[in-house]
Amino acid sequence: GQQLNQSPQSMFIQEGEDVSMNCTSSSIFNTWLWYKQDPGEGPVLLIALYKAGELTSNGRLTAQFGITRKDSFLNISASIPSDVGIYFCAGASSGSARQLTFGSGTQLTVLP
Amino acid sequence: ETGVTQSPTHLIKTRGQQVTLRCSSQSGHNTVSWYQQALGQGPQFIFQYYREEENGRGNFPPRFSGLQFPNYSSELNVNALELDDSALYLCASSPWGLAGGRNEQFFGPGTRLTVL
Repeated sequence: GQQLNQSPQSMFIQEGEDVSMNCTSSSIFNTWLWYKQDPGEGPVLLIALYKAGELTSNGRLTAQFGITRKDSFLNISASIPSDVGIYFCAGASSGSARQLTFGSGTQLTVLP
Repeated sequence: ETGVTQSPTHLIKTRGQQVTLRCSSQSGHNTVSWYQQALGQGPQFIFQYYREEENGRGNFPPRFSGLQFPNYSSELNVNALELDDSALYLCASSPWGLAGGRNEQFFGPGTRLTVL
């Protein structure tokens, strides 16, 4: 099935560092969502974006909806150990039953 | 406010069998979507239910079917199980249907299905 191109696939960073990950698509989306998934659990919604160019923050997390509507990025500032997990981007198009198309995920490891 | 719940947590079946997975949507949510997540992959959309009818379907064969009940809970049924059906099955609920609105979907913890 179709998936978004999400990069990087994995990251190893030191506690306190900033992190950036992004997603690109060949299709236009009118919604971008960012989720975090811990082992054995379902994805948890972090940030939702609805307008091209929109920049939204949730604590130490900041995400942007690309101007072309084909990309989005997520930044995490001052990483902490509980940031460990898999981060997924997801896009939705209008008129598509609001089904979400997911990226393949970014595995984040935070080293003490 | 109760979140999305799914049952069972884990399930082991053999090839050719049939399975039913259940999902209770978050309070106030009328739309339920099902996703399949293979190991190391992002979730793949199976189908969505709104007002007890299928409202969109992904690239899955007809042996994947579903139901939505008047209380908005839902079932996913898979017939003639194949080894490749082994995956985490996720249910997500959202508060909006066809009348426009936001696309935020809230996921349950999933059901881990193993097909032997």
